[in-house]
Amino acid sequence: DARVTQTPRHKVTEMGQEVTMRCQPILGHNTVFWYRQTMMQGLELLAYFRNRAPLDDSGMPKDRFSAEMPDATLATLKIQPSEPRDSAVYFCASGLSVNQPQHFGDGTRLSIL
Amino acid sequence: KQEVTQIPAALSVPEGENLVLNCSFTDSAIYNLQWFRQDPGKGLTSLLLIQSSQREQTSGRLNASLDKSSGRSTLYIAASQPGDSATYLCAVIHSGGGADGLTFGKGTHLIIQP
Repeated sequence: DARVTQTPRHKVTEMGQEVTMRCQPILGHNTVFWYRQTMMQGLELLAYFRNRAPLDDSGMPKDRFSAEMPDATLATLKIQPSEPRDSAVYFCASGLSVNQPQHFGDGTRLSIL
Repeated sequence: KQEVTQIPAALSVPEGENLVLNCSFTDSAIYNLQWFRQDPGKGLTSLLLIQSSQREQTSGRLNASLDKSSGRSTLYIAASQPGDSATYLCAVIHSGGGADGLTFGKGTHLIIQP
């Protein structure tokens, strides 16, 4: 059964450190999304790519966050420098088209001390 | 800006009961509406996707309806089981501007008592 794979599953680091989260989308899916989930805000879209091209990153704090797709099998989300308010669960999802379900990974639980 | 609201925020019912979860959205210009299930510490699992031109979708004991003009959707769960305990999330994709990202409600935390 094809799955979206995210690494690491958990990350604890100190404020100011760089954090890199990785996502392997389902093979053949051409759209990749990054979401963030917190208790207060719920799930929010950060950025997404179609055919590896960034289409929307308006939900992402651009001064410290960056999202890339170096190739079709890898998406990355970086935070530099990290801050305690970035603590959240970060989900990657992939899909075939706007009218097909998005498939989610199990998330990266990030804690910034 | 699209806003999605889910009521109730939490629900606890005895096993075997039929139940309804509600979702409302402020902008009716949507491509589709999706219902997801989230188990603790896990990602989201897609349950049902309703296209904007459809009225309902069914999968097993689950039935989702969509009234786009009034901005409402319901998820009906028949003959609930303890394994249905999870958080249920409703999300929409806006049909303007080419954006494919989902806008989520905050979910309904469901507990089915054995």
